[in-house]
Amino acid sequence: KAGVTQTPRYLIKTRGQQVTLSCSPISGHRSVSWYQQTPGQGLQFLFEYFSETQRNKGNFPGRFSGRQFSNSRSEMNVSTLELGDSALYLCASSKTGQDRNYGYTFGSGTRLTVV
Amino acid sequence: AQTVTQSQPEMSVQEAETVTLSCTYDTSESDYYLFWYKQPPSRQMILVIRQEAYKQQNATENRFSVNFQKAAKSFSLKISDSQLGDAAMYFCASLPSTSGTYKYIFGTGTRLKVLA
Repeated sequence: KAGVTQTPRYLIKTRGQQVTLSCSPISGHRSVSWYQQTPGQGLQFLFEYFSETQRNKGNFPGRFSGRQFSNSRSEMNVSTLELGDSALYLCASSKTGQDRNYGYTFGSGTRLTVV
Repeated sequence: AQTVTQSQPEMSVQEAETVTLSCTYDTSESDYYLFWYKQPPSRQMILVIRQEAYKQQNATENRFSVNFQKAAKSFSLKISDSQLGDAAMYFCASLPSTSGTYKYIFGTGTRLKVLA
């Protein structure tokens, strides 16, 4: 079966712009989580969505937002981009969220570069 | 605050040999899960092995096993018969099982090089 699909794979944006990243979870998975990975801060939790509702949010500024659609696909948006937003953004899915105890299935990420 | 520490930024192992990656964690949770994930150059995080904290028995998955020392809050990964395909970044992570907590806490990673 298809895995977690993230698009685009690479993205280059200019400071001040906004960006939207997309994540399509495994079919049947309703929980989608987002993580930011940088060399300095490592992997940090952004937010988690389940059935179109945000259930938890990490310690990121309000410029970072997300949403989930009825087909479980999720998007995250970053407005007013800063150089420090350059990172690999990883999406992970699970069936219910509770089954995260068994491990997530991750996508290959979107590499965002802000110049 | 919960933390996960991987003190070895990089490790090397000869093909077919055994290597152990270290991880320590700190949590106030009474119940939690621990994981090792592998991130090859393809960037996808792949689950290697998981451990339920309430189980004393160490988890094993083929060539991968853990040494879980709950009192010491230590969770090391042993890779036996190392293969070239094992070369990757390895991340240790904890997940509280408290209802309402949905985020993994990751360590900073250990880069594993496998020498032919």
